[in-house]
Amino acid sequence: AQSVTQPDIHITVSEGASLELRCNYSYGATPYLFWYVQSPGQGLQLLLKYFSGDTLVQGIKGFEAEFKRSQSSFNLRKPSVHWSDAAEYFCAVGANAGKSTFGDGTTLTVKP
Amino acid sequence: GAVVSQHPSWVICKSGTSVKIECRSLDFQATTMFWYRQFPKQSLMLMATSNEGSKATYEQGVEKDKFLINHASLTLSTLTVTSAHPEDSSFYICSARPPGLAGETQYFGPGTRLLVL
Repeated sequence: AQSVTQPDIHITVSEGASLELRCNYSYGATPYLFWYVQSPGQGLQLLLKYFSGDTLVQGIKGFEAEFKRSQSSFNLRKPSVHWSDAAEYFCAVGANAGKSTFGDGTTLTVKP
Repeated sequence: GAVVSQHPSWVICKSGTSVKIECRSLDFQATTMFWYRQFPKQSLMLMATSNEGSKATYEQGVEKDKFLINHASLTLSTLTVTSAHPEDSSFYICSARPPGLAGETQYFGPGTRLLVL
């Protein structure tokens, strides 16, 4: 069975500071990995995805993520956080059957 | 990018009534759509996979007679919550997957908030 763990429920960073959101997964084969962002009362927006190839993936809004097979991790990073980045972030694993398993999410608060 | 819409964006209904939520892919055809449910401050839970022209596949624990799914065309899937009760109040999100893309790319709708009184 596949699973996703986001160890940090809530993270607070100052505007302009760097950010790293952690994601660990369990999957029996080569994973398809995603990061989504959700603003309050909204649907999910895809930030980036990893299928294969270069393990460092660039996404929208200045985000990047690095796939580390040895650590079963897919952490999301941003070098300088903006106030508009405050939101809920979800890591997800996609199965070949077309189902995505989501982590419980990390709430990001940005201090001015 | 691909756009998925949901209608209505929010709905309030009385207990015992049925509510229909529409999910449309606006600029692509989606042979597969997914329905998720999200409780406050929680993650998304996949309810069912909707396939155009065939019966939906429900996840374990999801009542198919309560949550009716119809995928009548390549751009429209509907979720009907039948005889809704307060415990059905939730945020319902759909997603659509374009055919022919590698992996499991899916595009999400903005969600529908249901409140059952």
